[in-house]
Amino acid sequence: GAVVSQHPSWVICKSGTSVKIECRSLDFQATTMFWYRQFPKQSLMLMATSNEGSKATYEQGVEKDKFLINHASLTLSTLTVTSAHPEDSSFYICSARLAGGGQETQYFGPGTRLLVL
Amino acid sequence: AQKITQTQPGMFVQEKEAVTLDCTYDTSDPSYGLFWYKQPSSGEMIFLIYQGSYDQQNATEGRYSLNFQKARKSANLVISASQLGDSAMYFCAMRPLQGAQKLVFGQGTRLTINP
Repeated sequence: GAVVSQHPSWVICKSGTSVKIECRSLDFQATTMFWYRQFPKQSLMLMATSNEGSKATYEQGVEKDKFLINHASLTLSTLTVTSAHPEDSSFYICSARLAGGGQETQYFGPGTRLLVL
Repeated sequence: AQKITQTQPGMFVQEKEAVTLDCTYDTSDPSYGLFWYKQPSSGEMIFLIYQGSYDQQNATEGRYSLNFQKARKSANLVISASQLGDSAMYFCAMRPLQGAQKLVFGQGTRLTINP
C-alpha cells in the first residue's frame, strides 16, 4: 500500500512552546491530507482537512490560530501546535488521500505522540 | 450527518477461530464508502478493507471479508483463522463518495486473540 510518514514520532516540550509535525506522502501525490487527534482509549477525531495550495478547513471547535496547517506541496503537510499547553498532549495522526482505481482510500501516517509538560 | 456505531468495546477470541466485528452506520448520503482500519499498540492506522455502497459483492482481502448488508446498514468485518498478531483496536469508518468526503470513525473494538 501507499506510504505516509510523520515526523517526529515523539515530542516532549515545555508549556508555551510551539511544535511542528510533518506529514509526507512518500510514493504518491496527495492533494488532500487530513489531521486527526486521538486521546487515550478514544477514537480518532478529525481536526482539519488540508488542501494543497489553499487554506485548511477546520472542524467545529478546533482553533485554527492554535493549530496552524500548511500544505505547501503535493507531498507535504505540516501541523504546528502553537503555544502548546498540557491539554494539547495527545496522539496526532495524519492521513493522505489516494484516489484512483475506482476507490479512494486514506492512508495514515504512524502518528506523533505529543507530551506538553 | 453520518454516524458509525461499534457496539463491542472488547472481544476475546481463541487463536485460529473466526471473529466478527460489528459495525452499523447511519447516513443520508446516496453513495458512500465503508472502511475498516486496524490500530495496533504502536498507534499506526492500517487500512484493511473497503466496500463501496454500490458494490454488488462483499469485499474480501485475504483473511478479511466485509459482510455488507445495505438494507440493515451494517458492515461487519470478518477475520478468518485469527492469529495472535490480530490483537489490536479495530475501527470502522465511512465517508460519502461526494461532497466533503471526510472519514467518520466508530468508537472502535479492542480485539484480543488468546493462544
